[in-house]
Amino acid sequence: GENVEQHPSTLSVQEGDSAVIKCTYSDSASNYFPWYKQELGKRPQLIIDIRSNVGEKKDQRIAVTLNKTAKHFSLHITETQPEDSAVYFCAASNRGRGSTLGRLYFGRGTQLTVWP
Amino acid sequence: EPEVTQTPSHQVTQMGQEVILRCVPISNHLYFYWYRQILGQKVEFLVSFYNNEISEKSEIFDDQFSVERPDGSNFTLKIRSTKLEDSAMYFCARYRNNEQFFGPGTRLTVL
Repeated sequence: GENVEQHPSTLSVQEGDSAVIKCTYSDSASNYFPWYKQELGKRPQLIIDIRSNVGEKKDQRIAVTLNKTAKHFSLHITETQPEDSAVYFCAASNRGRGSTLGRLYFGRGTQLTVWP
Repeated sequence: EPEVTQTPSHQVTQMGQEVILRCVPISNHLYFYWYRQILGQKVEFLVSFYNNEISEKSEIFDDQFSVERPDGSNFTLKIRSTKLEDSAMYFCARYRNNEQFFGPGTRLTVL
């Protein structure tokens, strides 16, 4: 099965700085790579995702890049704010039954702390 | 507005007891997933349920687990004989537009 590795496990940045979280995956059949943000005691919330047919996607201060050859993808947060503080999980998936989405394989998470 | 709701929000049970966790979609959906997250750890897939049958299950989803759609709308996850290590957050997720959206979760505490 798929194995997703995520680094770093903790990341502290000053408000306004950029933060980068990196993930690698093992299964070349994976074609969908979402990122979830989880605040303490809350549900994982989808913040951005990328599919294997594109190399980069951006949504305001958040961007994700994908390198299929190297099997790694990264989350970039620019102009960080204290409210960005949370645990961020990367995940990988493949196509499921009926052309739907298969199971998500999650990384171990990155605790991001943004200091004011 | 949440994609799904889950009940109960918190369940405390004694080891060996059966628990049923419920996932209530806002509107009718065919494809649901169950995940669990032990405190401080990553989210782990349990099972996916498509068109009223199991689509895929993980090695965690052993004989003590079962899923059903008892009334055609709600989805349930049953743990027959709970163990201490079943203590975790259990999330259901729904599929929409090639994405998965998580419910608020049920915190299960096994004493």
